[in-house]
Amino acid sequence: GAGVSQTPSNKVTEKGKYVELRCDPISGHTALYWYRQSLGQGPEFLIYFQGTGAADDSGLPNDRFFAVRPEGSVSTLKIQRTERGDSAVYLCASSPGKGYYGYTFGSGTRLTVV
Amino acid sequence: AQSVTQPDIHITVSEGASLELRCNYSYGATPYLFWYVQSPGQGLQLLLKYFSGDTLVQGIKGFEAEFKRSQSSFNLRKPSVHWSDAAEYFCAASNYGGSQGNLIFGKGTKLSVKP
Repeated sequence: GAGVSQTPSNKVTEKGKYVELRCDPISGHTALYWYRQSLGQGPEFLIYFQGTGAADDSGLPNDRFFAVRPEGSVSTLKIQRTERGDSAVYLCASSPGKGYYGYTFGSGTRLTVV
Repeated sequence: AQSVTQPDIHITVSEGASLELRCNYSYGATPYLFWYVQSPGQGLQLLLKYFSGDTLVQGIKGFEAEFKRSQSSFNLRKPSVHWSDAAEYFCAASNYGGSQGNLIFGKGTKLSVKP
């Protein structure tokens, strides 16, 4: 697509539930990133994919968080047993994967855990 | 630990006035440096980036930034602010190029523009 698409744009869920957040990167971009932005903070790195594999998942806060990118395009961020502290905007970005282009970010998914 | 600091949480300037947003970094070596802008409900848009070479970097929308190694700073500037520049601005740094390494962001500076 023309840009990075994230769905849903807003998600409200109850504490303890499971959620999936989807990211559709720019066509042909091999690198994909997930960030989390809490209120009043800058984005914090979660995980980076190069192709289908997670090249760096050091930012995932705990084992409730998991992400996949099975075909090297669309990625899904999965959060189990959600907690109120998981409420944030989850941002996805992609880049061509070569050279130094900077990222293109999506508009994010605002997750609210009640 | 690696970090990026934006000392100003909120800045208000008059339309037409000049602007400087501060950014300091703490890294073991000179990182790659970026400025992003975020409008309400929008994703982050890259304004400019510095990797090496000329320390004065030109970006989009009339912005520029100057890398100063001695001060570990990468301040963003614009000579004349427009009302449409009102947004939140984030400075970020990486050990690698933006396509390979993760970015560390500052907490952001919110810019308000008064008529």
